Amino acid sequence: GDSVTQMEGPVTLSEEAFLTINCTYTATGYPSLFWYVQYPGEGLQLLLKATKADDKGSNKGFEATYRKETTSFHLEKGSVQVSDSAVYFCGRGGSNYKLTFGKGTLLTVNP
Amino acid sequence: KAGVTQTPRYLIKTRGQQVTLSCSPISGHRSVSWYQQTPGQGLQFLFEYFSETQRNKGNFPGRFSGRQFSNSRSEMNVSTLELGDSALYLCASSSDREGATNEKLFFGSGTQLSVL
Repeated sequence: GDSVTQMEGPVTLSEEAFLTINCTYTATGYPSLFWYVQYPGEGLQLLLKATKADDKGSNKGFEATYRKETTSFHLEKGSVQVSDSAVYFCGRGGSNYKLTFGKGTLLTVNP
Repeated sequence: KAGVTQTPRYLIKTRGQQVTLSCSPISGHRSVSWYQQTPGQGLQFLFEYFSETQRNKGNFPGRFSGRQFSNSRSEMNVSTLELGDSALYLCASSSDREGATNEKLFFGSGTQLSVL
């Protein structure tokens, strides 16, 4: 069935460091791909999405490119801030009205 | 526009009891989904409703049930609670008939359920 595998954390970085969180998905069909972010005590918020191969989603300095050949959707940011500390979830859509998520990656950015 | 509202925010129950959680979606949204979040399993899909019809159900026992009302508000119920049901239960809504397939989900802050 549908599945998403993302790099397990926790990830701890210093401010202004480069961030990569790896995400791969099962290749059934041509799903939409998403990154959601969860700040402490809150629900998830959509960070970015891509709906077809080679699309690049971007928001708030974060980027991810839909790579069909490697079934990947890695999240990157060139210079992280303390305010980026959160849990990041990679997700894929399907034809059955649900999102399948990875297990989440906790990011902590230190000043 | 008000966001997705979940009540209550926190709930403490004992084993064997039952619980009902409520979710009010964003006005105009007709698709409502429920997810269970735990540290070990991450986010697990429970069910999705659109216009009062359940369109998909996750791999959870029959103790977990839900419904959606004509105003799109949704409830989920867990009967005969077990310790392992302790989790954050998240509700999400979306505007499109396709629901989570391609559209953005808007999540509530969740109900934190603790089973003692």
